Amino acid sequence: NAGVTQTPKFQVLKTGQSMTLQCAQDMNHEYMSWYRQDPGMGLRLIHYSVGAGITDQGEVPNGYNVSRSTTEDFPLRLLSAAPSQTSVYFCASSYMQGQPQHFGDGTRLSIL
Amino acid sequence: AQSVAQPEDQVNVAEGNPLTVKCTYSVSGNPYLFWYVQYPNRGLQFLLKYITGDNLVKGSYGFEAEFNKSQTSFHLKKPSALVSDSALYFCAVRDLALNRDDKIIFGKGTRLHILP
Repeated sequence: NAGVTQTPKFQVLKTGQSMTLQCAQDMNHEYMSWYRQDPGMGLRLIHYSVGAGITDQGEVPNGYNVSRSTTEDFPLRLLSAAPSQTSVYFCASSYMQGQPQHFGDGTRLSIL
Repeated sequence: AQSVAQPEDQVNVAEGNPLTVKCTYSVSGNPYLFWYVQYPNRGLQFLLKYITGDNLVKGSYGFEAEFNKSQTSFHLKKPSALVSDSALYFCAVRDLALNRDDKIIFGKGTRLHILP
């Protein structure tokens, strides 16, 4: 039972580069979300989705795009990486919005 | 908007002693409260939740949490700490008075050190 799978686990980018963080879940959960975790800041919601084809902005959406073409997948795209986006990114899912979430193990991203 | 505070960045407890990790919240309606734990290089794991009913909620790994409406608190507790309990703990809240905007807000986390 894989749960929530995030790839890659680590990534180093140069300022201005773009990339996609992958997230997949095998629990048929409708709700998926992306958070970033920074020291002393806790978890901050970037984007979320309540089902395939539906996405919405969270607390810190600037510089990130998402799409939800299938129930299983919820990729996060960095359009033009900036050093301020250096962080650990977590994807999470739950059977519906507002319920306990299952988290992936994170992607550690460094922007030089 | 809802908010949650974890007033202690770090808590140190001797192994075998009881532990408490504090959490206070602010919501406009009734709260839906959660505790999560994060071990090094891992994602968050759900421990327990409170939505209604008994004020003392039991969860995973022997943890429990006490809901106190008058003090707007939801402190995490364990009667006897283990070294393996050392981790980062997050409190989270959802405001049940909000319909569309019912996102879960996380606290900044409290690092728990259990001393052998």
